[in-house]
Amino acid sequence: AQSVTQPDIHITVSEGASLELRCNYSYGATPYLFWYVQSPGQGLQLLLKYFSGDTLVQGIKGFEAEFKRSQSSFNLRKPSVHWSDAAEYFCAVGTTGTASKLTFGTGTRLQVTL
Amino acid sequence: DTGVSQDPRHKITKRGQNVTFRCDPISEHNRLYWYRQTLGQGPEFLTYFQNEAQLEKSRLLSDRFSAERPKGSFSTLEIQRTEQGDSAMYLCASSARGVAYNEQFFGPGTRLTVL
Repeated sequence: AQSVTQPDIHITVSEGASLELRCNYSYGATPYLFWYVQSPGQGLQLLLKYFSGDTLVQGIKGFEAEFKRSQSSFNLRKPSVHWSDAAEYFCAVGTTGTASKLTFGTGTRLQVTL
Repeated sequence: DTGVSQDPRHKITKRGQNVTFRCDPISEHNRLYWYRQTLGQGPEFLTYFQNEAQLEKSRLLSDRFSAERPKGSFSTLEIQRTEQGDSAMYLCASSARGVAYNEQFFGPGTRLTVL
């Protein structure tokens, strides 16, 4: 069965600093990988996705992620964090087949200090 | 496109009561998903519809849970005889069937508190 590990429960960065959120996945086939962001009281918003092709994917709000098959990782990065980026970030792997359901990690809460 | 909507946004109930949640997907989407998210956890898959057919259910979906999607439009999730362990955020998502993997669009969720 597929699984996702986000090793960092909570990360604090200063505004303007760079950010990297870690994600490791386990899945037998070629994975479909996603990063979602959730602000308090809000639903999940898709930041970016990887299906195939270029292993460096660009997303919204200046985020990018790099797929590394050898490390089973899909880390999220941003060169300069803004205070509005404070939220919960979830990495997810999508299964192939009819359901295409998502399996999420436990999330990383990002705090941004001014 | 108004996005996925869910109603109610919040529900407080007493243990043993029945509750029902509604999800309205994006109009042209034929796939609909329910997830449950407990505090400090990521969302967990509950069930999936393609049009009106419920094609997969998680083992998390006990006999007290039932979901429907009449006419392949909106969906309802009912929990009978609620328990305190049912307290969670219930998220609905929809996607369109296509050739490639389909992006799921999430609603704002219904937060259930069982007293």
